[in-house]
Amino acid sequence: AQTVTQSQPEMSVQEAETVTLSCTYDTSESDYYLFWYKQPPSRQMILVIRQEAYKQQNATENRFSVNFQKAAKSFSLKISDSQLGDAAMYFCACSFSGYSTLTFGKGTMLLVSP
Amino acid sequence: EAGVTQSPTHLIKTRGQQATLRCSPISGHTSVYWYQQALGLGLQFLLWYDEGEERNRGNFPPRFSGRQFPNYSSELNVNALELEDSALYLCASSLSGTSWQPQHFGDGTRLSIL
Repeated sequence: AQTVTQSQPEMSVQEAETVTLSCTYDTSESDYYLFWYKQPPSRQMILVIRQEAYKQQNATENRFSVNFQKAAKSFSLKISDSQLGDAAMYFCACSFSGYSTLTFGKGTMLLVSP
Repeated sequence: EAGVTQSPTHLIKTRGQQATLRCSPISGHTSVYWYQQALGLGLQFLLWYDEGEERNRGNFPPRFSGRQFPNYSSELNVNALELEDSALYLCASSLSGTSWQPQHFGDGTRLSIL
């Protein structure tokens, strides 16, 4: 069975600082896609960033970037220049070959202080 | 472009009753996914519909069922409600049922069982 693990239930960062959220996964598949979603208190899940497993280059979206280590099955999210609006629950998710359904980690609550 | 819409926002039922949750995907999206987000359990995949057919099902009992209509909207039915069914039910849609297509989520339906 494929699993996604987020080992940090909660992380704190100050405005303008950088924070890294960890995610590991386990699969025997060679073809899969990794996602980070953000769920603010308004509860709508918002896609933050996506990474294709076959791509060596790490994905970047403005202040958000990933560190994808395929051999280590690690997919961490780095948020640079943190803003108050980044405060939310962050979920790491994976869709595995042949199944477009998402397997989610349990989430990391990110707190941002002024 | 309208996002994924779910109704109702909140639903209160008692044990043994039946609940119906509705979801309208983003225009042009043919795949609809249902997830359960219960406290402490994270997001669990429930059902996936594509082109009117059930394509995959998560590890949930048969009293969780649904369907997808010709206009691609979807309905989730939960029969014989139990207290542990209390959760946020999220619907997502994607352009097609392929693993690289990102899923776009609605705001969810909060189901409370008394």
